[in-house]
Amino acid sequence: EPEVTQTPSHQVTQMGQEVILRCVPISNHLYFYWYRQILGQKVEFLVSFYNNEISEKSEIFDDQFSVERPDGSNFTLKIRSTKLEDSAMYFCASSDPTAGLEYEQYFGPGTRLTVT
Amino acid sequence: AQSVTQPDIHITVSEGASLELRCNYSYGATPYLFWYVQSPGQGLQLLLKYFSGDTLVQGIKGFEAEFKRSQSSFNLRKPSVHWSDAAEYFCAVGGTSYGKLTFGQGTILTVHP
Repeated sequence: EPEVTQTPSHQVTQMGQEVILRCVPISNHLYFYWYRQILGQKVEFLVSFYNNEISEKSEIFDDQFSVERPDGSNFTLKIRSTKLEDSAMYFCASSDPTAGLEYEQYFGPGTRLTVT
Repeated sequence: AQSVTQPDIHITVSEGASLELRCNYSYGATPYLFWYVQSPGQGLQLLLKYFSGDTLVQGIKGFEAEFKRSQSSFNLRKPSVHWSDAAEYFCAVGGTSYGKLTFGQGTILTVHP
């Protein structure tokens, strides 16, 4: 069964460093998302992406964050200058544009980001 | 603004017992409702969804959920829990296709043998 994959599974970085989290969505999906979950808190929406541009973003998704689809298979989240409070599990998700399936988001296993 | 509340942070049941996990939502229009499950080290797996029509929806692994508009609820049920059901369960609401999902804080399910 197709699945969303994410790399790395765990990333440790120092405060102020740039990180890139990578995702490979399900191959025929065209909508892509990033969410994050700070330990002990809710899963929070960050951004959605379609047709090479951001469709929607949350207040969390400030200028320190950016997303990109650099090729036909990868979808990345970049944090330019990490802060301690960016430590969280980051989930990538994708959805199928086929009518009737477009509301369903399929999630990857997550990347745990630890900022020290 | 849309929101989801899962009143129970942690539930413990015995294997074979029935299960109900509560979810209440707030949304101005007809919501799209979802239940996801997360096992340790795994991603969020979609259990079931409600968009419209029959208010009782069936999902994978023997789960079902009932949409009650009058109570703004979408509770998850299973008649007989298996040890492998131990995981964290998330209720989520969405308002549009391709739009964001808003999650509850999750309910951790522990299953005793």
